[in-house]
Amino acid sequence: DAMVIQNPRYQVTQFGKPVTLSCSQTLNHNVMYWYQQKSSQAPKLLFHYYDKDFNNEADTPDNFQSRRPNTSFCFLDIRSPGLGDAAMYLCATSRGTGGVNGYTFGSGTRLTVV
Amino acid sequence: DAKTTQPPSMDCAEGRAANLPCNHSTISGNEYVYWYRQIHSQGPQYIIHGLKNNETNEMASLIITEDRKSSTLILPHATLRDTAVYYCIVSPNSGGYQKVTFGIGTKLQVIP
Repeated sequence: DAMVIQNPRYQVTQFGKPVTLSCSQTLNHNVMYWYQQKSSQAPKLLFHYYDKDFNNEADTPDNFQSRRPNTSFCFLDIRSPGLGDAAMYLCATSRGTGGVNGYTFGSGTRLTVV
Repeated sequence: DAKTTQPPSMDCAEGRAANLPCNHSTISGNEYVYWYRQIHSQGPQYIIHGLKNNETNEMASLIITEDRKSSTLILPHATLRDTAVYYCIVSPNSGGYQKVTFGIGTKLQVIP
């Protein structure tokens, strides 16, 4: 089945140590999104790629970066994770053309900062 | 994007219809109503969307009022697996895609 895959499912990193989360998709969707979801809160959009065009949300901290080397893969880099960055990180995709359509989400990566 | 208002929580007996309301009184003419749900520890799942007509798919029905200021998601026969947080979102279709901004949602508890 076509899907959005996030690896790893759980990630533990040390305070201040760079960490990369990955997302891949087999849907051939144009748009890929990264959301941060803290405990008992709604998902919050960090940024998205429309093809190779990067779109950052205004309130996304500089500590968060993203790369999209090709259509299928997108990475979230946290340069210096703090304790406040512990959260579920969700990747989503959408077609981006041809009208309205819904998002397809991955299962998320739960990040713990120690 | 227009804001939405949902009750924070609801209970529903298993096998009964779950009716989840959403108010979006400031919705614009080009904004669609989307519903997603998020089962615990999983990513959100798209359920259904609509512009002004009622919609039905294999998961649910979406009823949008004629003035488009509110909508109701209907799960016709709720099961325990429908226990989740349900998000109502309004978003324009801009440039062929839309950025989805999530609110707090409604936590639906299906009771045996």
